Order: sequence, then C-alpha cells, then structure tokens
Amino acid sequence: AQTVTQSQPEMSVQEAETVTLSCTYDTSESDYYLFWYKQPPSRQMILVIRQEAYKQQNATENRFSVNFQKAAKSFSLKISDSQLGDAAMYFCAYRGATGNQFYFGTGTSLTVIP
Amino acid sequence: DVKVTQSSRYLVKRTGEKVFLECVQDMDHENMFWYRQDPGLGLRLIYFSYDVKMKEKGDIPEGYSVSREKKERFSLILESASTNQTSMYLCASSLPRGYTDTQYFGPGTRLTVL
Repeated sequence: AQTVTQSQPEMSVQEAETVTLSCTYDTSESDYYLFWYKQPPSRQMILVIRQEAYKQQNATENRFSVNFQKAAKSFSLKISDSQLGDAAMYFCAYRGATGNQFYFGTGTSLTVIP
Repeated sequence: DVKVTQSSRYLVKRTGEKVFLECVQDMDHENMFWYRQDPGLGLRLIYFSYDVKMKEKGDIPEGYSVSREKKERFSLILESASTNQTSMYLCASSLPRGYTDTQYFGPGTRLTVL
C-alpha cells in the first residue's frame, strides 16, 4: 500500500508570514494525484489544493501553492501571507490514477500567531 | 453545492450497544468511504464502497460492518461497541477511479463509548 508521511506534527507561523508544510509519499505508480486538505477546529475537512502527477507545473490557489518534486516523491504546501483563518489541521493525501482509495498522512497542526 | 451529511455530530453509547452511523451524499458519487480519525494517527480507512451493495475492507475493518443499499447512503455499523471505538468518524464520497476529483467529507461524528 502507498504511504504518506507528514513529519511535522505541529507548526506555527506569524500572521502575514509564509510557512511550508512537508509531505513525502511512497509509490510505485507513475500516474497519481496529490491533495492537501484543511480541517479547521470542529469544522469540516475541505480541499485546499490538488496536483496531478503528470503535470510538471506546480499547482497554485491564491495564497496556497505546492512544490511538487516527483523524483523525490515530495509534495509540500506553501501558505503565503498567513491569516488567522489558516489555523487548522492540514492533511496530505495520495490517490493512484487506477485506484479508488485515498491515502492520508497523519496531519500537521498549524497555529497562526497574531 | 456539494454536500455530504452525517446523521449525528455527537453520539454517546454504552459498551455492547449496536451503533449505526449514517452518511448521505447528494452528488451521485459512486464511491463512499468511512474513516476513523484519531490524534497522531491521521485518517484510517475502515471500509469503502464503490457501488451499491459493493464494499471493500480498509485498513481497520475489525469490529465494524457497512451497508450500502442505495447509492446516496452508506452506513457504518458497530455490532457491539467497545471503549476503544471512541473516536471521530468521517464519511466521504468521490467519483470513481480515473477521475482527478477530490473526496468530499461530511462534518464527522464524534462517538464516545462508555
């Protein structure tokens, strides 16, 4: 089975600063999708950003961008101009192109300091 | 707007009780999933279903069963609840394999077994 590793259980960032959350994964598949999800305290999990492995260009969604390094099997999330509302648990996830199952990391809890 | 709903946000049950957690999605998704979320362990897949009446075991199916009689509804059953099943349970749905689309999550059910 594929494994997804988030080595930072907790991170903190000053408001308006930039923070990068790390994620690595292990797979033998060549085609797959990667996701970052956000789970605010006591609220629903939502998608932040997704990346298709066949695309070389890094995905960007407003203040959120990824650094996708396919050879290194690394998929980090950069949050620019951090806001108080960015405080949440962030999960990295993998899905193979031919599979139904999603594989999740253990999460990184992000604190934003005013 | 995409929606996944779960029957209860909070549930308290006694050891040995039979517990039903219900999930409904309105997106006509083929795939539905039940996860268990525990601190430090991330999301662990209990069961998923890729079609009506079809199911596959995830990583931690012991002590659980599922039912999918209609496409929009996926139930998780704890046949005889135990204290080690106290956890947050998340339901999700998605399009089938081959699609880049994400999973959509319900709000979660926090189950306490006394």
